[in-house]
Amino acid sequence: EAGVVQSPRYKIIEKKQPVAFWCNPISGHNTLYWYLQNLGQGPELLIRYENEEAVDDSQLPKDRFSAERLKGVDSTLKIQPAELGDSAVYLCASSFRQGDEAFFGQGTRLTVV
Amino acid sequence: GIQVEQSPPDLILQEGANSTLRCNFSDSVNNLQWFHQNPWGQLINLFYIPSGTKQNGRLSATTVATERYSLLYISSSQTTDSGVYFCAVVPYSGAGSYQLTFGKGTKLSVIP
Repeated sequence: EAGVVQSPRYKIIEKKQPVAFWCNPISGHNTLYWYLQNLGQGPELLIRYENEEAVDDSQLPKDRFSAERLKGVDSTLKIQPAELGDSAVYLCASSFRQGDEAFFGQGTRLTVV
Repeated sequence: GIQVEQSPPDLILQEGANSTLRCNFSDSVNNLQWFHQNPWGQLINLFYIPSGTKQNGRLSATTVATERYSLLYISSSQTTDSGVYFCAVVPYSGAGSYQLTFGKGTKLSVIP
């Protein structure tokens, strides 16, 4: 069974440019999470989806960040415009249902220069 | 929201030594997971253990939910065990329910 797949693995962009990350969760998993991990810290939740509905986006900086999960499967996370402080690892995770064991993708390491 | 504290923050072991990592949490939990983040950044599931004891090879974990802590035991450590170990919990109710809240991790270095 395939795990959570994220792309790209690495991305380097100039500040003020847009960037997008893609996540394909484990087949059949209804809950999808986007996490942000800064260097030396644990991951922090940005947004949680139950199927196609964003049910917890209180920590998503909505002025520049947006996310969608069309048809309740794949998801994209977008930043526009990117700032230097957005440099971090963006992790996607999924679980069968909310609160169940979560599985993480390999992450996208973003560097904003 | 729920607080998750891990100790020690850093640990250096000689290969073959045993170690115990601790995770304290401030409220009742529905879910507790231990992860190993390897040097490439991948979070690898070790245990899903909201209560009780589980073992997987050289690793074992115990969660005492009533006393709000969990322990991860690593025996006969190997250099490949190096990395950061995270404890993450899902609170039973209230703010943060259904989302994994992570501790800051324990950075383990196993030297030959």
